[in-house]
Amino acid sequence: GENVEQHPSTLSVQEGDSAVIKCTYSDSASNYFPWYKQELGKGPQLIIDIRSNVGEKKDQRIAVTLNKTAKHFSLHITETQPEDSAVYFCPGGSQGNLIFGKGTKLSVKP
Amino acid sequence: NAGVTQTPKFQVLKTGQSMTLQCAQDMNHEYMSWYRQDPGMGLRLIHYSVGAGITDQGEVPNGYNVSRSTTEDFPLRLLSAAPSQTSVYFCASSYSMYSPGYENTIYFGEGSWLTVV
Repeated sequence: GENVEQHPSTLSVQEGDSAVIKCTYSDSASNYFPWYKQELGKGPQLIIDIRSNVGEKKDQRIAVTLNKTAKHFSLHITETQPEDSAVYFCPGGSQGNLIFGKGTKLSVKP
Repeated sequence: NAGVTQTPKFQVLKTGQSMTLQCAQDMNHEYMSWYRQDPGMGLRLIHYSVGAGITDQGEVPNGYNVSRSTTEDFPLRLLSAAPSQTSVYFCASSYSMYSPGYENTIYFGEGSWLTVV
């Protein structure tokens, strides 16, 4: 299976600052790394992902970077806005058993 | 295209009552699953299904029952509700069974808030 560790568990930033959330994975054969966002009162939603043959992927203010050597990938949010306040997940697990851990609770203070 | 639809959105049950949370998807996904989310606990997998007629247990299956008679529907049954089952329940689906490290977008419903008194 894929054991994933996510840090930090909580993150508070001022509006306009950047936020970085990191996940470390265990299986060196993994080739797909997604990030999900869960807004208050809603289900998680895929916001960005990256494949192992790419080092970085950007979508407007969010980006994901991958370091295969160190086996970690990170979510970067620039120019944070209040609507970025949510819980972010990098899921792992084993075959058929997708595991979402506790995630990272990001709070953006106006 | 409605995606994953859960009903009801909110429900209050008395201890010992039974009920069914409904989940339907219109994306022809083979893989469906149920999670519960409690404060500080993240999402925990209850049951999942890799196709019609096939179900399996997740991390916290006790007190819940599922069946998958069609590709579209995956109901979750609480057999005898207990206060410990007070939680938010999410149904999810994906094109194929989750395999770690392989591309597969998971689609979640909006959640069902259940209170057992």
